[in-house]
Amino acid sequence: EDQVTQSPEALRLQEGESSSLNCSYTVSGLRGLFWYRQDPGKGPEFLFTLYSAGEEKEKERLQATLTKKESFLHITAPKPEDSATYLCAVHPFGNEKLTFGTGTRLTIIP
Amino acid sequence: DVKVTQSSRYLVKRTGEKVFLECVQDMDHENMFWYRQDPGLGLRLIYFSYDVKMKEKGDIPEGYSVSREKKERFSLILESASTNQTSMYLCASRGTVNGYTFGSGTRLTVV
Repeated sequence: EDQVTQSPEALRLQEGESSSLNCSYTVSGLRGLFWYRQDPGKGPEFLFTLYSAGEEKEKERLQATLTKKESFLHITAPKPEDSATYLCAVHPFGNEKLTFGTGTRLTIIP
Repeated sequence: DVKVTQSSRYLVKRTGEKVFLECVQDMDHENMFWYRQDPGLGLRLIYFSYDVKMKEKGDIPEGYSVSREKKERFSLILESASTNQTSMYLCASRGTVNGYTFGSGTRLTVV
């Protein structure tokens, strides 16, 4: 059974304080790993897709990396507007389902 | 950009009512999905559809059914709403490169 575990559950940072969010996964065969951002009361918003170990993607202050067992979402010099819940999901081969983690709730304090 | 539109942001229904949640996507995607999201449980797949009139059960289909008569529209039906179906319901459409595109969600409260 595919599993995704995100840590920490919640993270509070000062504005400008860089950190990383972790997504550990177990999947039979990884077709893709996705990162989403979700603001309160809204649907998840797509950030990145990673396909193979060693791959890296960047978007503004966010950088996502992938290994064979986990993915990291690194946030550099965050701003208050980066406060949100960040979700990780895996898409296995031979299956249309995404399996989601429960997310990391990130709060950036001005 | 792909747009996934859910017809209602907030709904309040009574126990035993039949409830329809509507979702429309504008990018001709074959695959559409219904999830519910609850604190501490994350997103759980209820049903998905990979073509018109085709449907597959997800992880928690009990108490729900779906309808897909047209490619762009995927409806979730609560046959007889119960309080344990109070939740955030999210519809998604799957593209190729960017995974799922989600709607803005429907917050359903069953009283």
